[in-house]
Amino acid sequence: GENVEQHPSTLSVQEGDSAVIKCTYSDSASNYFPWYKQELGKGPQLIIDIRSNVGEKKDQRIAVTLNKTAKHFSLHITETQPEDSAVYFCAASTGYSSASKIIFGSGTRLSIRP
Amino acid sequence: GAGVSQTPSNKVTEKGKYVELRCDPISGHTALYWYRQSLGQGPEFLIYFQGTGAADDSGLPNDRFFAVRPEGSVSTLKIQRTERGDSAVYLCASSLMPGTTEAFFGQGTRLTVV
Repeated sequence: GENVEQHPSTLSVQEGDSAVIKCTYSDSASNYFPWYKQELGKGPQLIIDIRSNVGEKKDQRIAVTLNKTAKHFSLHITETQPEDSAVYFCAASTGYSSASKIIFGSGTRLSIRP
Repeated sequence: GAGVSQTPSNKVTEKGKYVELRCDPISGHTALYWYRQSLGQGPEFLIYFQGTGAADDSGLPNDRFFAVRPEGSVSTLKIQRTERGDSAVYLCASSLMPGTTEAFFGQGTRLTVV
């Protein structure tokens, strides 16, 4: 089955700098890659996603890139702000054409230093 | 409703007891997912429903775990003969229809087995 590896497990950046989180996946059939942000005591919240027919997607300060050949995908946060501090999870799914399970990475705890 | 609702928010039970955890998905969402999240880990897939049927239950750890969704809306996760290792946050998510896996999560039920 699908396996998603995520690194780093913790990341501390100065406010205003960029943060990058990287993930790899094992199942070449995966075609949907969401990213979730989880704050303490809350459920994960979708912040951006990308499908396999796209190599890059941006939404304001957040961007995701996908390299299907290498089975890598990454989250980039620019101009980081204190409210970006949270745990971030990458995930992969074969569910573009039909609903299916979403497999998560182990998470990255991002801390923004003032 | 406005979002995915899970009840109770916290549950403390004695080892060996039976528990039920409830999930109310977003109205109209046909896909429903259950995940388990241990401290410092990513959500671990348990089971997902498409309508009333379990489309994939490959993540259920053993036969003490069972889930139902009899009318294609509310779902109940049932755990028999609870063990201390079952202690975790149980997350529920729902998504609109086949063809999209943008999943919205509830806040979870924190289960503690003592």
